[in-house]
Amino acid sequence: DAGVIQSPRHEVTEMGQEVTLRCKPISGHNSLFWYRQTMMRGLELLIYFNNNVPIDDSGMPEDRFSAKMPNASFSTLKIQPSEPRDSAVYFCASSYGVSGANVLTFGAGSRLTVL
Amino acid sequence: ILNVEQSPQSLHVQEGDSTNFTCSFPSSNFYALHWYRWETAKSPEALFVMTLNGDEKKKGRISATLNTKEGYSYLYIKGSQPEDSATYLCAFRNNAGNMLTFGGGTRLMVKP
Repeated sequence: DAGVIQSPRHEVTEMGQEVTLRCKPISGHNSLFWYRQTMMRGLELLIYFNNNVPIDDSGMPEDRFSAKMPNASFSTLKIQPSEPRDSAVYFCASSYGVSGANVLTFGAGSRLTVL
Repeated sequence: ILNVEQSPQSLHVQEGDSTNFTCSFPSSNFYALHWYRWETAKSPEALFVMTLNGDEKKKGRISATLNTKEGYSYLYIKGSQPEDSATYLCAFRNNAGNMLTFGGGTRLMVKP
């Protein structure tokens, strides 16, 4: 398996632009998580899906952020409009189940810079 | 908000030294404790998942212990090597339905 695949690896954009980050989880994993990593807050959970259904989006910062999982092999995280404070590394992770006793497999991350 | 604390924040050791660091978490409603290893410019990789009080796990020179009653886990590295340099993250989940909460990590640097 190629692991969790994220794209793009790096994105530089200007304030106000729309940003879409993509994730392909490991085949067979039925839970998908979006995390954001910043110096100030460390690794924080934004949203997670189980069987393609959003379960908890309480970590999504505000309405500018949205996430979808149209099928078991694809998810997007969208920021519209983007702001400089959104600059961070965004990680996607997947696991089998949401029990918390199953390890997460992380993607390589998407580094976002908003100018 | 669940409080997951790791100490120290950073640690410099010489090659060959053994070291350990701590993850503290709420002692009530425990469900699982994870350890991840995160090398610079890579993504976090799972080391251990522990679910029972008294659990001990080992992978090569790295081992971990768990005390759910007092709310802490130790990660030990025996005979540190430069390739052990990384940030070590712990993550906690309680049985109240909350998802994994990560600590801030311990950044380990091993000097040759």
